[in-house]
Amino acid sequence: GNSVTQMEGPVTLSEEAFLTINCTYTATGYPSLFWYVQYPGEGLQLLLKATKADDKGSNKGFEATYRKETTSFHLEKGSVQVSDSAVYFCALSVWGGGSQGNLIFGKGTKLSVKP
Amino acid sequence: DSGVTQTPKHLITATGQRVTLRCSPRSGDLSVYWYQQSLDQGLQFLIHYYNGEERAKGNILERFSAQQFPDLHSELNLSSLELGDSALYFCASSDRQDLRRAFFGQGTRLTVV
Repeated sequence: GNSVTQMEGPVTLSEEAFLTINCTYTATGYPSLFWYVQYPGEGLQLLLKATKADDKGSNKGFEATYRKETTSFHLEKGSVQVSDSAVYFCALSVWGGGSQGNLIFGKGTKLSVKP
Repeated sequence: DSGVTQTPKHLITATGQRVTLRCSPRSGDLSVYWYQQSLDQGLQFLIHYYNGEERAKGNILERFSAQQFPDLHSELNLSSLELGDSALYFCASSDRQDLRRAFFGQGTRLTVV
């Protein structure tokens, strides 16, 4: 079946530190890959996405590259800010074979950035 | 603001009761997805509707049901509630132009006591 595994948190960093959150996936077919962010008390917001192998998604200084050979989609940011503190979810969706684009999520990684 | 509206924001009810959660998708979006977020299970897909028709089911209990109305709003009905049903319930709509882009509402926090 389809699944997503992401590194467990929490992750605590100092401001301006480098961030990596690892994500690997298992999927039948050709998944699209996503990172969503959830700020306290809010819904999920799409951070970035990639729809085919070697695509790089980027937004607000965050980047992730769709690596089919390693089935990975690691999230990176060169210099985190306090405002990046949130929970980050890696997710995939597949169309076809009974799937209709519903998202399959990892368990989430809580990031805390200290000043 | 994602443009997806969920009501109510909070709901407290007793075991055995029935509740209805409501979702209005973004204007023009035909797809509505329901998800449950709990500490135990994380974020799980429940059910998907497209233009009034059920398209896919995930880990949705038989005590739960949903529908999408002609005006495209959707309702998730939860009955015979148990303590374990306490969770955050999200709905999302997919961009009509890019079905891979989902917009989430702020969720309904259900507490069963």
